[in-house]
Amino acid sequence: VQVGESGGGIVQPGQSLTLSCSASGFMFSNHGMHWIRQAPGQGLDWVAHISSSDGTVYADAVKGRFTISRDNAKNTLYLQLNSLKSEDTAIYYCARSDYASYYFDYWGQGVMVTVSS
Amino acid sequence: DVQMTQSPFNLAASPGESVSINCKASKSISKYLAWYQQKPGKTIKLLIYDGSTLQSGIPSRFSGSRSGTDFTLTIRRLEPEDFGLYYCQQHNEYPFTFGSGTKLEIK
Repeated sequence: VQVGESGGGIVQPGQSLTLSCSASGFMFSNHGMHWIRQAPGQGLDWVAHISSSDGTVYADAVKGRFTISRDNAKNTLYLQLNSLKSEDTAIYYCARSDYASYYFDYWGQGVMVTVSS
Repeated sequence: DVQMTQSPFNLAASPGESVSINCKASKSISKYLAWYQQKPGKTIKLLIYDGSTLQSGIPSRFSGSRSGTDFTLTIRRLEPEDFGLYYCQQHNEYPFTFGSGTKLEIK
């Protein structure tokens, strides 16, 4: 099982960015997937979840600005980040949920998003 | 939201010793608590889920227990590779929330 993120970078406040997470080694379509972030020197914050049936749930801090989606044919998870704020600066991790559960059994290495003018 | 209060913030121990890390939920989360290990340059590793179930491949010196809303991660006979950051996470309800972390250092 492997998951790996890409698409991070430096953007100005108000701009947009799309993160991708490529998955391999398991039946991607059967698993819920999550994005979790970690601000510099801080702890972990759950961001969003997409179920195997494409249901989505977001943390209040990102609701209405971020969109989680998946392409099962490409074994890829996405996170569209709009209206970025300085407080969104963090390492963003994608993680897999085990069947019918909400703990994260496999994590990617993470990708850095910096929002700065 | 469920608040997870994790303690201690820092912990220093020697190889071979045993340590415990605690996590208290602000309300009932049943047994649904996970523990993770974070080390520089490595992916975050799931250690325990459902309060006390050991993830596949994790050494048996790691164990988890629960008393009501209080959860404990115990590491027996510390190995050098056990030093790092540890987080708890409640996986009972949205939004999933983490403790603030415990840094386990070599004494």
